[in-house]
Amino acid sequence: KQEVTQIPAALSVPEGENLVLNCSFTDSAIYNLQWFRQDPGKGLTSLLLIQSSQREQTSGRLNASLDKSSGRSTLYIAASQPGDSATYLCAVRSYYGGSQGNLIFGKGTKLSVKP
Amino acid sequence: ETGVTQTPRHLVMGMTNKKSLKCEQHLGHNAMYWYKQSAKKPLELMFVYSLEERVENNSVPSRFSPECPNSSHLFLHLHTLQPEDSALYLCASSQRPGLAGEADTQYFGPGTRLTVL
Repeated sequence: KQEVTQIPAALSVPEGENLVLNCSFTDSAIYNLQWFRQDPGKGLTSLLLIQSSQREQTSGRLNASLDKSSGRSTLYIAASQPGDSATYLCAVRSYYGGSQGNLIFGKGTKLSVKP
Repeated sequence: ETGVTQTPRHLVMGMTNKKSLKCEQHLGHNAMYWYKQSAKKPLELMFVYSLEERVENNSVPSRFSPECPNSSHLFLHLHTLQPEDSALYLCASSQRPGLAGEADTQYFGPGTRLTVL
């Protein structure tokens, strides 16, 4: 059974700092991995999607890496801003079992960027 | 604006009530999903509809009954719920991939915050 873990559960940093969010998954048989952002009381917004054959994806100040063999992904946020404050969710799309083709989510990392 | 809308945004109901959640997508997708997000638990997939047919039910209790009348609309009918069913219910849609490995970004609605008294 695929399980996704995100560390840390919460993170508070001063504005301008570079930071890394971590995601690990137990089964490397995945189609892709996706990072989402969730603002309080709102739905999820997709930030980056990395195919299993890719090593990283970049969008603006965000860079996500994927090491499928070790079951790890990181989301790097450069020059953090107060507007980056949100919960960041990692999800993998697994090959097998009842979750075939469906997203398995971690619990998220709640990020707070202080002005 | 993600193109996926949900109503109502907030709902308070008693354990004996019957209510329905509605989701509508304006993205031309052919797959729709219901997720449950409880405090301190990962987002859990409840139901998947592809081309208006249910393809997965992740062992959800029968007090939750989905309905997908067409590719743009998805309902979740609720009856005799329990207080532990209080959660944020999220709807999503995607262009269901036909081949393994295709990117399948899901677009989420804002959710319905449900409280069961």
